[in-house]
Amino acid sequence: DTGVSQNPRHKITKRGQNVTFRCDPISEHNRLYWYRQTLGQGPEFLTYFQNEAQLEKSRLLSDRFSAERPKGSFSTLEIQRTEQGDSAMYLCASSLLGGRTGARKNIQYFGAGTRLSVL
Amino acid sequence: KQEVTQIPAALSVPEGENLVLNCSFTDSAIYNLQWFRQDPGKGLTSLLLIQSSQREQTSGRLNASLDKSSGRSTLYIAASQPGDSATYLCAVHASSGGGADGLTFGKGTHLIIQP
Repeated sequence: DTGVSQNPRHKITKRGQNVTFRCDPISEHNRLYWYRQTLGQGPEFLTYFQNEAQLEKSRLLSDRFSAERPKGSFSTLEIQRTEQGDSAMYLCASSLLGGRTGARKNIQYFGAGTRLSVL
Repeated sequence: KQEVTQIPAALSVPEGENLVLNCSFTDSAIYNLQWFRQDPGKGLTSLLLIQSSQREQTSGRLNASLDKSSGRSTLYIAASQPGDSATYLCAVHASSGGGADGLTFGKGTHLIIQP
């Protein structure tokens, strides 16, 4: 168990460019979540997957944002035509709910995040 | 819409003191409540999770309580140490999703323990 891994750790981009972040969850975790955190605020939920299915999307997730989780393993979050307001820390979390162990608590384990700066 | 409030926003105390961080939520229909710690520029570390049917959870010097009916939780830190300095976040899972959907977070309490 190596924990949740996010890459890159930092990304600086110019307004209008596209960016993609990657999240590798804890092995065998069936749920994967994306959050966004701005300075001085708590994380805000964006979307989550159960295995490869995207089950919920927040209203914060505009049509410039797209997330995928092919094969139910790693996930990518892409932001198209970035804006300065997209500057934030993007956090990924994974959890195990149900499964062979019958895990019920759904404790979410977070990665270190990707800090995006849009110039 | 669920809203989570944390008081105080910031706290600075001398080393060795016991302290209490407060969290309140507007919708009592929760599946569970989690307390997290976040160090500057880092991700979140889960400290304690309390199921909606539980009243408290303990881990080392930390004790978290839950009063679902009044929409409140407290995190008690005993014998504080400089290494406890961090931002502490409270988050709730709605019961409607069976604990499956996203967490709703408060803004956190920024804690500084003075050596």
